[in-house]
Amino acid sequence: DVKVTQSSRYLVKRTGEKVFLECVQDMDHENMFWYRQDPGLGLRLIYFSYDVKMKEKGDIPEGYSVSREKKERFSLILESASTNQTSMYLCASSLGGQGSYGYTFGSGTRLTVV
Amino acid sequence: GQQLNQSPQSMFIQEGEDVSMNCTSSSIFNTWLWYKQDPGEGPVLLIALYKAGELTSNGRLTAQFGITRKDSFLNISASIPSDVGIYFCAGPPIQGAQKLVFGQGTRLTINP
Repeated sequence: DVKVTQSSRYLVKRTGEKVFLECVQDMDHENMFWYRQDPGLGLRLIYFSYDVKMKEKGDIPEGYSVSREKKERFSLILESASTNQTSMYLCASSLGGQGSYGYTFGSGTRLTVV
Repeated sequence: GQQLNQSPQSMFIQEGEDVSMNCTSSSIFNTWLWYKQDPGEGPVLLIALYKAGELTSNGRLTAQFGITRKDSFLNISASIPSDVGIYFCAGPPIQGAQKLVFGQGTRLTINP
């Protein structure tokens, strides 16, 4: 069964810590995405990647960075966690190519920053 | 960035009732997508719409691509308990773009 796997379902981190959220897909997809989900705001795009070592900012990149060293893995990094980064983080992948909107999402990581 | 506005934000219905929700944008979209998120899971694609006026069904779900290309509608007939979850509309903000912008979601709760 093809899937997107996020390394942790729940994380609790302290303010100022460097936090790594890992995402792995086994579908040989070109595109990978990181969204955060907050009540009343829906899903907002943080960063995305169309290829290895390639990254583009989404709508809310401030306070985040990403790394894509291998095609199957896309990491989200919180350089110095803050309480306003407490949220649900969703990773997704898609095949690539024009009109490729069939995102496959991971189950999410609920991050709490205290 | 562009935003999609979903309505209503939440719905509380009785099992067996029909459900209607909609999504609007201030700009034109060439593709509309509807996703469902079950509790504790990531969203899953339900229906994709590619043409203004298009009406597409997936079981008890029917979605329509508005003629103005600035809105879309999702209907669920004869709701059942497993319909509970959050429904999101989504679309590519730029034609040909592979990233999606999502609406705020409609949370559906069903009373048995």
